[in-house]
Amino acid sequence: EIVVTQSPATLSVSPGERATLSCRASQNLNSNLAWYQQKPGQAPRVLIYGASTRATGIPDRFTGSESGTEFTLTISSLQSEDFAVYYCHQYDNWPETFGQGTKVEVK
Amino acid sequence: QVQLQQWGAGLLKPSETLSLTCGVYGGSFSGYCWSWIRQSPGKGLEWIAEINHRGGTNTNPSLGSRVTISEDTSENQFSLKLSSVTAADTAVYFCARSRGRYRAGNFYPYYFDYWGQGILVTVSS
Repeated sequence: EIVVTQSPATLSVSPGERATLSCRASQNLNSNLAWYQQKPGQAPRVLIYGASTRATGIPDRFTGSESGTEFTLTISSLQSEDFAVYYCHQYDNWPETFGQGTKVEVK
Repeated sequence: QVQLQQWGAGLLKPSETLSLTCGVYGGSFSGYCWSWIRQSPGKGLEWIAEINHRGGTNTNPSLGSRVTISEDTSENQFSLKLSSVTAADTAVYFCARSRGRYRAGNFYPYYFDYWGQGILVTVSS
């Protein structure tokens, strides 16, 4: 099973500042990684797939990048609606797995 | 607009069988892959099983033979059964859609673009 490890568990950021979230995979994912945003009481929503492709309707302040088995989600200027929990998801092979999440909270 | 709506029993006793159904509305059922995913405080998001548009299935080995996923294409629905539940199966269960990847004769997973609203299933005696 491919393990994906997210860090940090919690990120405290002020509105307007940049947030950088990390996800490390236990093996090569061939760019088969997605990022989701989840708000309380809601299902996750896809932000990024293919490591760096924004999903339909996602603002360009969300950027995904990769370097080997390290993946990064950057939110360039946090808006109030961006405070949420973010998950990475590897779909390179079965069983597909998720990271434990990073909570982005107001500083 | 594609909508996934799920239903099923929300309270079970240990050893019973969890049974959930997800209906797909506003979009095509064929040509996509359909999954169940659960979320519990202790284990985060966990993929359970998927059925692809050729009727083939994949399940998470961690759940062993307790999982059955099936579809009813005439009703645009797919279902999950999880047998012999314990308190560890208490979670919010989501259904979700993906396009799947077909390569060299095999299906591989893909990201989830639509999700159901989630349903809390509690296992308690």
